[in-house]
Amino acid sequence: GENVEQHPSTLSVQEGDSAVIKCTYSDSASNYFPWYKQELGKRPQLIIDIRSNVGEKKDQRIAVTLNKTAKHFSLHITETQPEDSAVYFCAAGRGYGGSQGNLIFGKGTKLSVKP
Amino acid sequence: EAGVAQSPRYKIIEKRQSVAFWCNPISGHATLYWYQQILGQGPKLLIQFQNNGVVDDSQLPKDRFSAERLKGVDSTLKIQPAKLEDSAVYLCASSLVLLAGASYNEQFFGPGTRLTVL
Repeated sequence: GENVEQHPSTLSVQEGDSAVIKCTYSDSASNYFPWYKQELGKRPQLIIDIRSNVGEKKDQRIAVTLNKTAKHFSLHITETQPEDSAVYFCAAGRGYGGSQGNLIFGKGTKLSVKP
Repeated sequence: EAGVAQSPRYKIIEKRQSVAFWCNPISGHATLYWYQQILGQGPKLLIQFQNNGVVDDSQLPKDRFSAERLKGVDSTLKIQPAKLEDSAVYLCASSLVLLAGASYNEQFFGPGTRLTVL
């Protein structure tokens, strides 16, 4: 079945450094790639998403890149801050012709930003 | 706007008992998802509804799990009987119906119900 692999599982950086999380997906029909941030005991919240018709998207300190040929996408966080500490999940989904399927999630990356 | 509501937030039961979870999606969201999130893993879909119809229940363990959305708004997820491996957070999410020509609508998640089976 469809699968999303996410690496690394844990990532520790110093405040101000950059963090990069990478995901690969197996379903070539996927056309939507969101990233969710989940703080301990809280709901997943969307931080950025990218659709298959673009290769890169940026929102302030957060950027996502997509390589459809390689079925690979990445999250980049620059100038990390302690409040960026959380678990980050990548996901892949497909939606065509008025029909939207579920999201397939990676296993998550626990990011720790040390002050 | 109000978010996705879920109750209860926490539930502790013994194995072989029954349990039910409730979800109220964002107003106007016709698509509703139930996900199971085991500790240390990403959410995994159990069932997807569009209005009161089931779109995908291929990963729902139908011998013990059931879900309904009778009026196309609120939904309940039931486990009967529960097993130890059902201990997890059960997340409900909702989204707008995808229109033709659009690629995907954001899913909004509720706070989840943390189930512990002893």
